[in-house]
This record gives sequence, structure tokens and C-alpha cells, in this order.
Amino acid sequence: GAVVSQHPSWVICKSGTSVKIECRSLDFQATTMFWYRQFPKQSLMLMATSNEGSKATYEQGVEKDKFLINHASLTLSTLTVTSAHPEDSSFYICSARVLRDRGTGAFFGQGTRLTVV
Amino acid sequence: SQQGEEDPQALSIQEGENATMNCSYKTSINNLQWYRQNSGRGLVHLILIRSNEREKHSGRLRVTLDTSKKSSSLLITASRAADTASYFCATDALYNFNKFYFGSGTKLNVKP
Repeated sequence: GAVVSQHPSWVICKSGTSVKIECRSLDFQATTMFWYRQFPKQSLMLMATSNEGSKATYEQGVEKDKFLINHASLTLSTLTVTSAHPEDSSFYICSARVLRDRGTGAFFGQGTRLTVV
Repeated sequence: SQQGEEDPQALSIQEGENATMNCSYKTSINNLQWYRQNSGRGLVHLILIRSNEREKHSGRLRVTLDTSKKSSSLLITASRAADTASYFCATDALYNFNKFYFGSGTKLNVKP
């Protein structure tokens, strides 16, 4: 089946630094990928929709300048948390769906646990 | 917000018993899906049910969908300790099937 790989699986960074998270679709092309954030013991909140070759679409309340998304190819989307602060600590998950296939669910990366100290 | 609600928030049962989780959502949908998440891990797709379907089975899973009530249920029969995880329903928007919104989740604990 389709696989989405997310890297790194965990990262610890100092406050004020930036962190980049990669999301790759390994055996299928994804013009659209999605980034979610999950706080402990809570559900996934959709942050943004990453569109290959164009600007990402952000959900209401998500800071564009804080969470930079780049979708440079059909198999790679990156999320950069800029000037990270402790409140940005969270579990970030990406997902992708097979093109034009409405009959399948989305495939999720394994998630990245970000801790800002 | 389209994000749905699930109940119960937590469910603890003995191995061999059945587990039922419910999901409600707010707007019209194309599909509803159920996902499983082990602690601190990514999500695994379990089953998708289309808006014109009422019931679907996959192994020990049974999903129902009632679009008039905007609700769905997930039944896991003959539960196993390995079924211990959080379960989420996800819905897509009627005119944007690529975007998913997740319910609040049910944390299932199956005791051996």
C-alpha cells in the first residue's frame, strides 16, 4: 500500500531556532498534502493544505509566517516551524491522498514530536 | 467548524468483549473514515464508508453511517489487547473531499 514517510520522528530544539519537518510520499504522487497538529490526548487539528507548485492554504488561526510550508515536488512537502517557542511543542503529522482516488483514506506519516526547550 | 465529536471519550473493556464508539459531525460529507492511533504514533486508516452507504464490514470491524443524524458508529467485535489505541473518525467536506476533519477521539483500553 501507499506509504508516507515523515522525518524526523522527534526533535528537540532551543527556543528561537527553526525546525524543518519533511513529509514524503514514497510510492505515489501527491499534489496535495496536509499538515496536522496534535496536542497531548487531543485530536488532530488541520493546520494547512500543502499544494504542489503553489502556496499553501492555511486554516483559520494558523500563522503563515510561523509555519512555513513548501511543496516543491509531487512527493515532498516540508513544514518549517520558525522561531520556535515552547508553546510550539506538539506532535505534527502529515498526510497525503492518492490522486483522484476518492475511495481510499489518507495515508499518514508516523508523526514528528517537537519539543522546544 | 466541521470537527466532530466522539463518545465515549474513553472506554475500558475486557478482552473478548465488543467495543462500540460513536461519532457525530456537523455538515454534509462525501465519506467518513475511521482511523486508529497507537500512543505517540501516526494514524492508520481502518475503514471508509461513503455517504450513500449505511453499513460496512472489514474483519472484526463494523461501521454504520446515518447521514440523516450525521452520525457513525464503529464496532470492534471480540476485542483483543492489541486493539488498545485511540480511535478517530474523520469526515471530508462535501465540496473538498481531500480535506479531513477529525473527531475528538475515543481512547480504548482492552484489558487482557
